[in-house]
Amino acid sequence: DIQMTQSPSSLSASVGDRVTITCRTSQDIRNDLGWYQKKPGKAPKRLIYAAIHLQSGVPSRFSGSGSGTEFRLTISSLQPEDFATYYCLQHDSYPPAWTFGPGTKVEIK
Amino acid sequence: EVQLLDSGGGSVQPGESLRLSCAASGFTFRNYAMTWVRQAPGKGLEWVSGIGASGGTTNYADSVKGRFTISRDNSKNMLYLQMNSLRVEDTAVYYCGKDGDYWGQGTLVTVSS
Repeated sequence: DIQMTQSPSSLSASVGDRVTITCRTSQDIRNDLGWYQKKPGKAPKRLIYAAIHLQSGVPSRFSGSGSGTEFRLTISSLQPEDFATYYCLQHDSYPPAWTFGPGTKVEIK
Repeated sequence: EVQLLDSGGGSVQPGESLRLSCAASGFTFRNYAMTWVRQAPGKGLEWVSGIGASGGTTNYADSVKGRFTISRDNSKNMLYLQMNSLRVEDTAVYYCGKDGDYWGQGTLVTVSS
């Protein structure tokens, strides 16, 4: 099974800050990784797919980078609506046998 | 517009069963793998099960293997999750997903004695 780690597990930031979250996998998954935003009571929302591609409709302040075993989600200028928990998801299998990272909670400083 | 409508959640006792359903619309259902994920109270997201587009191949998380069965009816655009031998730790909001890009609104399963 592929193991996932995310860092940090939580962070406090201010509106306008640049934020970077890192996800590492236990084996090479090429670019089979997505980033998701989760707010309480809401469905997960995909922000990034295939490691670097912005999901349609998602603001351009979100970006993804990396491949292989290390990936990053960057929010270039944090907005009030971005305070949420962010998860990476590896989808290196078909049919789906996926793994979420443990999550990073982004809180208001 | 892609729509996924989860249903079937409820409150049950340990050892009982539930069947979740997910009604899909707005896309060619038979062309896409589908998945179930869940989020227990205060916990992170957990992938539960996935099924290939034709329904012929399935995968399960170790935590539910042997107890849950995923299935689909491509003629009805429906996805299912049969959950047997439910445990307290299965308590969560369950979301169906289309290949990772769209998700239902979730259905709450509570397992408690």
